[in-house]
Amino acid sequence: AQSVTQPDIHITVSEGASLELRCNYSYGATPYLFWYVQSPGQGLQLLLKYFSGDTLVQGIKGFEAEFKRSQSSFNLRKPSVHWSDAAEYFCAVGGSSNTGKLIFGQGTTLQVKP
Amino acid sequence: NAGVTQTPKFQVLKTGQSMTLQCAQDMNHEYMSWYRQDPGMGLRLIHYSVGAGITDQGEVPNGYNVSRSTTEDFPLRLLSAAPSQTSVYFCASSYSTDSGANVLTFGAGSRLTVL
Repeated sequence: AQSVTQPDIHITVSEGASLELRCNYSYGATPYLFWYVQSPGQGLQLLLKYFSGDTLVQGIKGFEAEFKRSQSSFNLRKPSVHWSDAAEYFCAVGGSSNTGKLIFGQGTTLQVKP
Repeated sequence: NAGVTQTPKFQVLKTGQSMTLQCAQDMNHEYMSWYRQDPGMGLRLIHYSVGAGITDQGEVPNGYNVSRSTTEDFPLRLLSAAPSQTSVYFCASSYSTDSGANVLTFGAGSRLTVL
């Protein structure tokens, strides 16, 4: 079955500390992987995406993610977290079926301590 | 460019009432979709469309109808609202990149409460 798992429901980090949000997927075909961020009361904004090529992808707001096919993972990282990064983060997987369908993880809520 | 516009932003219904959530996009995207977001469950696909006149069911289609008469609009209809349909609804539109992958652009969401 196709699925996305974000093992951490809630993470708290101190401002300035590094961050890693985990994402594991199960997908039968070549996966296209995404990270979205949702600020409270807002819609979803695309942080970054992986389609092919270099397995380390850079996104907006200083985020990066690494695709590891052997581990079926696509973890999101940031070297130094800012208070404005507090939000909910969603990992998602899709394929080349050209229909715009994505499978989302449950989401990870990030709290940033001053 | 407005992107994806959803209306209304908030709605309260009584059980059994009907309503339509509107979604419009001005990016000439071929694909559109509706998701619902519930705490601890991420976003789940309700219905999607690959072009005008073509729709299909997603993961949780029961209780919802859709139609796509134009490229721009993709309304979601609740024919007889139930408390289980209390949720935040997101509409998205997308295009296919050269690699075949789709990149979704989301609307701001519509929060629906069914009493």
